Amino acid sequence: DAGITQSPRHKVTETGTPVTLRCHQTENHRYMYWYRQDPGHGLRLIHYSYGVKDTDKGEVSDGYSVSRSKTEDFLLTLESATSSQTSVYFCAISPAGAKDTQYFGPGTRLTVL
Amino acid sequence: TQLLEQSPQFLSIQEGENLTVYCNSSSVFSSLQWYRQEPGEGPVLLVTVVTGGEVKKLKRLTFQFGDARKDSSLHITAAQPGDTGLYLCAGAPSGNTGKLIFGQGTTLQVKP
Repeated sequence: DAGITQSPRHKVTETGTPVTLRCHQTENHRYMYWYRQDPGHGLRLIHYSYGVKDTDKGEVSDGYSVSRSKTEDFLLTLESATSSQTSVYFCAISPAGAKDTQYFGPGTRLTVL
Repeated sequence: TQLLEQSPQFLSIQEGENLTVYCNSSSVFSSLQWYRQEPGEGPVLLVTVVTGGEVKKLKRLTFQFGDARKDSSLHITAAQPGDTGLYLCAGAPSGNTGKLIFGQGTTLQVKP
C-alpha cells in the first residue's frame, strides 16, 4: 500500500470556523490531490499540486485553499466552514511518470454543524 | 464537461453469480482506472487500461477498455461475498493533466 496518511480521520466543527486537513506521504510522489466524496456525486477534485508550491484548482474549489511547502505534505483549508462542506475528504498521490494512476489515503470524515 | 456514467448504480446478487458493471462516456480518455472502495476506507486501485480494446484480468475480474476508448466494463465471474464494495471507474482526459473524472460508482452486494 502507498504510504499516505490523513489527519484528522474524523472532525466535527461549527459553521464559520476554519478547518485544516493534512495529507502526508512517504512515497516522494510529485503529484498530490484533494477530493471530496458525497452520495450521488462520486469523487470530485477540489485542488491538486504538481510540485512544491505549485497548485491548481479542480472542479469544486470554491471555499477551499491548499498549500504545499514540502513534497510530503499537502494541506487543505476551509477558511470558514459551511454545512455544504460536510463530506468525506480523500487525498491521493501519483508519481510523475504515471499521473493517471492515483493512490488514495484513508479519508477524513468532516461534519460541519 | 466530460462525464462518466456508471451502471448499474446498485447490484445485489447471490454468491456464485456473474455480473458486469459498465462505464460509459461520449468523450475519449487516454486511460481508464477501476477502483474498489470498502466502507470507511479510501478507494484501492484495481487496474489501469490504456489501449483501445485492451483486456486485463485480475483473478475472477476481467476489465475491458472499449475500442474507441470511450467506455469500459468490469466483469466478475462467480462473485464471492468478499467482492462486496463500491466499484468506481475513473477516466483520464487527453492531455495528461492528472485530473481524473470519476463515475458515480456501483455498489455491489454479494450475499452468501
